[in-house]
Amino acid sequence: ETGVTQTPRHLVMGMTNKKSLKCEQHLGHNAMYWYKQSAKKPLELMFVYNFKEQTENNSVPSRFSPECPNSSHLFLHLHTLQPEDSALYLCASSTRRTSSRGVVNIQYFGAGTRLSVL
Amino acid sequence: DQQVKQNSPSLSVQEGRISILNCDYTNSMFDYFLWYKKYPAEGPTFLISISSIKDKNEDGRFTVFLNKSAKHLSLHIVPSQPGDSAVYFCAASVKDYGQNFVFGPGTRLSVLP
Repeated sequence: ETGVTQTPRHLVMGMTNKKSLKCEQHLGHNAMYWYKQSAKKPLELMFVYNFKEQTENNSVPSRFSPECPNSSHLFLHLHTLQPEDSALYLCASSTRRTSSRGVVNIQYFGAGTRLSVL
Repeated sequence: DQQVKQNSPSLSVQEGRISILNCDYTNSMFDYFLWYKKYPAEGPTFLISISSIKDKNEDGRFTVFLNKSAKHLSLHIVPSQPGDSAVYFCAASVKDYGQNFVFGPGTRLSVLP
């Protein structure tokens, strides 16, 4: 248990559906992230939120719409997706902390939502 | 073009022996590197990190080596255990507090009993 919970774990949707992915972290972190992992590809960073403000959008299509109502919750709203959007969507959270190694920013991941777009 | 590469998609090692997972990067601005481990149906979990001011960092059975001139890092697991069987991801960022991590595609390690 990493302290980051994602729901649902699996989702099948049609191209005309609207659905939302939810992420919740119980770690007191102030940054949250959405990643996409397609088959045989590296994790791709989609969005970064710091203190509820979006600070990074890696050229993600507008059919993906993130929402961060507070530092503990992150949503990814999906609409009119394409079959190539089928992937594992991972949420992560982090906070900067000072350790013996200096300032570090380790991300803690949820288990992901496996999305299939038909 | 991938900035972080893990050229071996899979690796098999006998229990008790050393596992060596390799990672190469192309962006000379990267100065903080991490390794994550991922079991099936779970998210990646942080394993070990190294800053570019060091060339080695050790944590128990896990040691990461960094060769900045070659833009290469490696993760050594000694001794390897069956529970180490997982996919290992290398990640890099500019500055250790950076949030924009670039991940490699992963190497699947199988430790055979």
